[in-house]
Amino acid sequence: GEDVEQSLFLSVREGDSSVINCTYTDSSSTYLYWYKQEPGAGLQLLTYIFSNMDMKQDQRLTVLLNKKDKHLSLRIADTQTGDSAIYFCAEISSASKIIFGSGTRLSIRP
Amino acid sequence: EAQVTQNPRYLITVTGKKLTVTCSQNMNHEYMSWYRQDPGLGLRQIYYSMNVEVTDKGDVPEGYKVSRKEKRNFPLILESPSPNQTSLYFCASSSMVADTQYFGPGTRLTVL
Repeated sequence: GEDVEQSLFLSVREGDSSVINCTYTDSSSTYLYWYKQEPGAGLQLLTYIFSNMDMKQDQRLTVLLNKKDKHLSLRIADTQTGDSAIYFCAEISSASKIIFGSGTRLSIRP
Repeated sequence: EAQVTQNPRYLITVTGKKLTVTCSQNMNHEYMSWYRQDPGLGLRQIYYSMNVEVTDKGDVPEGYKVSRKEKRNFPLILESPSPNQTSLYFCASSSMVADTQYFGPGTRLTVL
């Protein structure tokens, strides 16, 4: 069945770049998403990419999509303490279901 | 203010006692869904609804029911809750399935 996988934890130093990786299985996905969840809150959309794109940049965020390998990544440049959160990768399956990954908890060290 | 509301935010109950978690959105969205969030498992979709009177099972529908009698509301019903349904539940809505999901604040449910 459809599956989205992410590593559970990432720790980076403040000011460095963070790269969060995700693999998915449904090759028919037309949209892929990154959501951010801050402590005690629901998820908020961070960015998304169409499946016909390889890259999307939005200020400090860069999304890379390798459709052949079904690999999606989110790079956060100049990581700040406010970036501490759980980041979820998500895809829409062919059955109109939304599949989320397990989430990557990003922690920032001084 | 555009929002998705859920009630209650916190609930502790006992095995077998029927409960309903309400979800309401004021954005005239057609697509609504329920998720549960468990440590290490991320968000798993329980049920979703493409429109009024149209509901479908997500990945983990067992033990849950939903209804969509009107566009704005999408209640989640646990007819006979069990301890393995202890979780954090989120309702979400969007104008269509591919659009941005707007999430509610979450309902933390504990079943003893």
